[in-house]
Amino acid sequence: EPEVTQTPSHQVTQMGQEVILRCVPISNHLYFYWYRQILGQKVEFLVSFYNNEISEKSEIFDDQFSVERPDGSNFTLKIRSTKLEDSAMYFCASSDRSGGYTFGSGTRLTVV
Amino acid sequence: ILNVEQSPQSLHVQEGDSTNFTCSFPSSNFYALHWYRWETAKSPEALFVMTLNGDEKKKGRISATLNTKEGYSYLYIKGSQPEDSATYLCAFPEYGNKLVFGAGTILRVKS
Repeated sequence: EPEVTQTPSHQVTQMGQEVILRCVPISNHLYFYWYRQILGQKVEFLVSFYNNEISEKSEIFDDQFSVERPDGSNFTLKIRSTKLEDSAMYFCASSDRSGGYTFGSGTRLTVV
Repeated sequence: ILNVEQSPQSLHVQEGDSTNFTCSFPSSNFYALHWYRWETAKSPEALFVMTLNGDEKKKGRISATLNTKEGYSYLYIKGSQPEDSATYLCAFPEYGNKLVFGAGTILRVKS
């Protein structure tokens, strides 16, 4: 069965450093997403991406965040200058036109 | 702000017990409701996407019902097994494909 692949599974970074989280969505899906879950809180939407541009973003997704689909297969989330409160599990997902989602297994980001 | 609530927050049952949990969502502008099963260190696994009032879907020992008029969905597990231990999430598409999640129900099944 097709999978969404995320790398790395766990990343530890110093506050203020840039991090790039990587995802390979399902190849024939059209919509791509990032969600995150801070420990003890709900899974929350960050951004959706369609047709090579951001289609929607949440209030969390400020200027420190950016997404790219550089080569037609990878989908990346960049955090320019990490803060302690960015520590969370970050999930990539993709969906087809019917709205059926497939999630990756997540990247646990720890900012120290 | 759209709110999706799940109860209970956690549940501990014995192997063989049947169990159920609830997801509440806004009843206006209903489009669909998603149920996911999430085991630690794995991807959230899609269980059901429910769209019609009165819908009932089944996957093995797991089933779900939907009431869009009153804004709730139940997830049932018949004869719980230790491998059913996971967090069960429901999610409501707000507009477009953006999902708003409940906090989840953590199920622990003891053998």
